[in-house]
Amino acid sequence: KAGVTQTPRYLIKTRGQQVTLSCSPISGHRSVSWYQQTPGQGLQFLFEYFSETQRNKGNFPGRFSGRQFSNSRSEMNVSTLELGDSALYLCASSRDSQKYEQYFGPGTRLTVT
Amino acid sequence: AQKVTQAQTEISVVEKEDVTLDCVYETRDTTYYLFWYKQPPSGELVFLIRRNSFDEQNEISGRYSWNFQKSTSSFNFTITASQVVDSAVYFCALSEAKRGANSKLTFGKGITLSVRP
Repeated sequence: KAGVTQTPRYLIKTRGQQVTLSCSPISGHRSVSWYQQTPGQGLQFLFEYFSETQRNKGNFPGRFSGRQFSNSRSEMNVSTLELGDSALYLCASSRDSQKYEQYFGPGTRLTVT
Repeated sequence: AQKVTQAQTEISVVEKEDVTLDCVYETRDTTYYLFWYKQPPSGELVFLIRRNSFDEQNEISGRYSWNFQKSTSSFNFTITASQVVDSAVYFCALSEAKRGANSKLTFGKGITLSVRP
């Protein structure tokens, strides 16, 4: 069974630009969660989507948004990029994160210059 | 609020040594899940184990074992006869478990384990 895939793996953007990251969950998984990992703050929860609806949200500004499609694939968008948005963005999928464990993808390394 | 503390930041051992990674958690929930994940240099978080707060039985999986003690709010992870391939960052995490709960994972800061040949 294929694992969670994330594209692109690496991205370099300039301050003020926007970016879209993509995540394809494991087949059959309906829950997709996004996390941001930085050396200073560690791993922080961004939001979770289940069956195309945002089910939970972390404490991030509105510049961070996401969506989920009918095939469970999810995208995350960050608008008006700031230097502090440089991070590894990890996507996790689960059959249902409230009942089952989450499996993570390899992440997208975003660098904002 | 939930909190996970991994007091050890870096551990270095020689191959074949046993090593224990500590995890202490705080939560007001009566039901919760505890997890351990491994993050090798490639960056992907690898799921190792999930425990329900009702199940305090210790678990062993090959060279890995976990000791869950609700009385001390700890969920420690021991690697027996460590190998170079065990070198990674290990994260302990916590989530709510009640129906309709927020399933977000609250992570500790991670422990960098280096196993030298």
